[in-house]
Amino acid sequence: QSALTQPASVSGSPGQSITFSCTGTSNDVGSYNLVSWYQQHPGKAPKLIIYEGNKRPSGVSNRFSGSKSGNTASLTISGLQAEDEADYYCCSYAGSSTFVVFGAGTKLTVL
Amino acid sequence: EVQLVQSGAEVKKPGESLKISCKGSGYSFTSYWIGWVRQMPGKGLEWMGIIYPGDSDTRYSPSFQGQVTISADKSITTAYLQWSSLKASDTAIYYCARHANPGGIAAQSPFDPWGQGTLVTVSS
Repeated sequence: QSALTQPASVSGSPGQSITFSCTGTSNDVGSYNLVSWYQQHPGKAPKLIIYEGNKRPSGVSNRFSGSKSGNTASLTISGLQAEDEADYYCCSYAGSSTFVVFGAGTKLTVL
Repeated sequence: EVQLVQSGAEVKKPGESLKISCKGSGYSFTSYWIGWVRQMPGKGLEWMGIIYPGDSDTRYSPSFQGQVTISADKSITTAYLQWSSLKASDTAIYYCARHANPGGIAAQSPFDPWGQGTLVTVSS
């Protein structure tokens, strides 16, 4: 069982906005502003799309945004495109014993 | 360009040993933590552990402590993940990934970039 809870799947139509949730605990998401999100296309390595909750690496579309409230982090994709169809993983720093925890991932289907 | 290039796919039998590699280039290899992440077939990402090549400080996930060994050779800018006795349940893709910020507290910065992954298949 993954430390962070993500819905198994979400779907949306092109142009729509969609939000993924990632629920942790006060030991990880709730205690640190160190949530990152990764996009993984089939057969490819994960790619960083959001870090420190709401920051985008250079080159990542501004259609991706992140936020956090309490123990839950969220990733929003606006203006959904076919190329966004992928698996999305959240990740949080979890202190100096556990270090890093991932969610089980959410599969995004673009209808 | 910052790059991590991993060794090729491996097919092994249960009980055999294995060491896979991850070569870093385009940055100061000794200044950034490098981690290993497991992805079992059709499953999600699992953090295994990290190493700071500058002084070989290593941290493990409790789930992987004692099951694998992480090491690095800074002279050839390469990190390693090693098993002494493989099990069928070790079948997975293993990714190395660099923490994005130099030094600092272990594992606090995000993983960026990632290696291309190494498929390890363990079957009798």
